[in-house]
Amino acid sequence: DTEVTQTPKHLVMGMTNKKSLKCEQHMGHRAMYWYKQKAKKPPELMFVYSYEKLSINESVPSRFSPECPNSSLLNLHLHALQPEDSALYLCASSRGTSGRRSGTGELFFGEGSRLTVL
Amino acid sequence: DQQVKQNSPSLSVQEGRISILNCDYTNSMFDYFLWYKKYPAEGPTFLISISSIKDKNEDGRFTVFLNKSAKHLSLHIVPSQPGDSAVYFCAASGASKIIFGSGTRLSIRP
Repeated sequence: DTEVTQTPKHLVMGMTNKKSLKCEQHMGHRAMYWYKQKAKKPPELMFVYSYEKLSINESVPSRFSPECPNSSLLNLHLHALQPEDSALYLCASSRGTSGRRSGTGELFFGEGSRLTVL
Repeated sequence: DQQVKQNSPSLSVQEGRISILNCDYTNSMFDYFLWYKKYPAEGPTFLISISSIKDKNEDGRFTVFLNKSAKHLSLHIVPSQPGDSAVYFCAASGASKIIFGSGTRLSIRP
């Protein structure tokens, strides 16, 4: 059983819809991440939250809006998406972000939310 | 600009033999290197890691080797088992980011 829970597992939305992806972890991790993965491609980093503050935004379009209400929850708000945004969206958490002092930054992934934009 | 590269998209190995998965990187500033395993319809799961100051780390059937001068790491699985069939991602961490390679699909044949 994964300790990072993502909902919904599948989402189909139109280009004018507003929807949200949710992620929850109860491991006491202080860093949370959103990754996007297209078929046969590696996971691509979108956002990093460290201690509930956005620390990295990998130049993600504003139609994706992350939110970290508390240390256990991470949301990704979706608005006016394009069909090319269809992908598997993976949430992950780690004890801290990586670095020589904090360690590997080993990520624990959820099962992902498969998004289809029509 | 791919900072982490896995040049073999697939690998087929006979059960019981050694599987060797390779990975190259370009950034000398990475602190750690990690291997993840991914089954279909699941998120990646952590397998093993190695610090950039080490050259080998072993955990059961899994050993990771790091050659810093060549900017190359490899994952050895011995003996290979049917349950090892999955996609394996090499990853590198540093500056609060973890960057993934494109993955190698390992198939273990009877």
